[in-house]
Amino acid sequence: NFMLTQPHSVSESPGKTVTISCTRSSASIASFYVQWYQQRPGSSPTTVIYEGNQRPSGVPDRFSGSIDSSSNSASLIISGLKTEDEADYYCQSYDSTNQVFGGGTKLTVL
Amino acid sequence: QVTLRESGPALVRPTQTLTLTCTFSGFSLTTSGVCVNWIRQPPGKALEWLARIDWDDDKYYSTSLKTRLTISRDTSKNQVVLTMTNMDPVDTATYYCARMLLSGSYGGNFDYWGQGTLVTVSS
Repeated sequence: NFMLTQPHSVSESPGKTVTISCTRSSASIASFYVQWYQQRPGSSPTTVIYEGNQRPSGVPDRFSGSIDSSSNSASLIISGLKTEDEADYYCQSYDSTNQVFGGGTKLTVL
Repeated sequence: QVTLRESGPALVRPTQTLTLTCTFSGFSLTTSGVCVNWIRQPPGKALEWLARIDWDDDKYYSTSLKTRLTISRDTSKNQVVLTMTNMDPVDTATYYCARMLLSGSYGGNFDYWGQGTLVTVSS
């Protein structure tokens, strides 16, 4: 199995931009789509980015996704931070048989 | 609209078998590209994928847990059932079912989730 590694926590001020990384341990990050989920306390996860850089309807365009093949990683970028963005964020990808989540990143907006 | 709801026991004794049911509506598990997954989350910890069943009845399991898991479906009842044998306190978690629309053959986005059900393993 491969792993997806995320920073444990990040923090930034309202109005700023934050980037959360997700590094894949084996196989190219570009070979399988990456999704990003937001989870607020006590709630189920919801998708903020799917297929690398697609936003579901209702997700503001402050959320974007990218991949960097040189570092074999994906990134979630949140611009114009709002206090409501404070949550846990998980990346997810897969291979031919398994779905894998990253360890999650706690975003604090202070 | 699409909904999923998990049901099962809140408390399980060590060594017992856990049986969870996911009852869904708003989609058919016989539609090409649709699958239902089970995912769990121990208190304060990360999400962990457990198993998946596809529209064509293909089944996939977490490599680390495959010897303990069985996933099945009843398309007439719109239900997916997960059994996990030999439960241990470390299996204490919120268990979610989630729909996935496959992007290609191997995976995709978990686009709808149930509210989750907390299962505690304790004697």
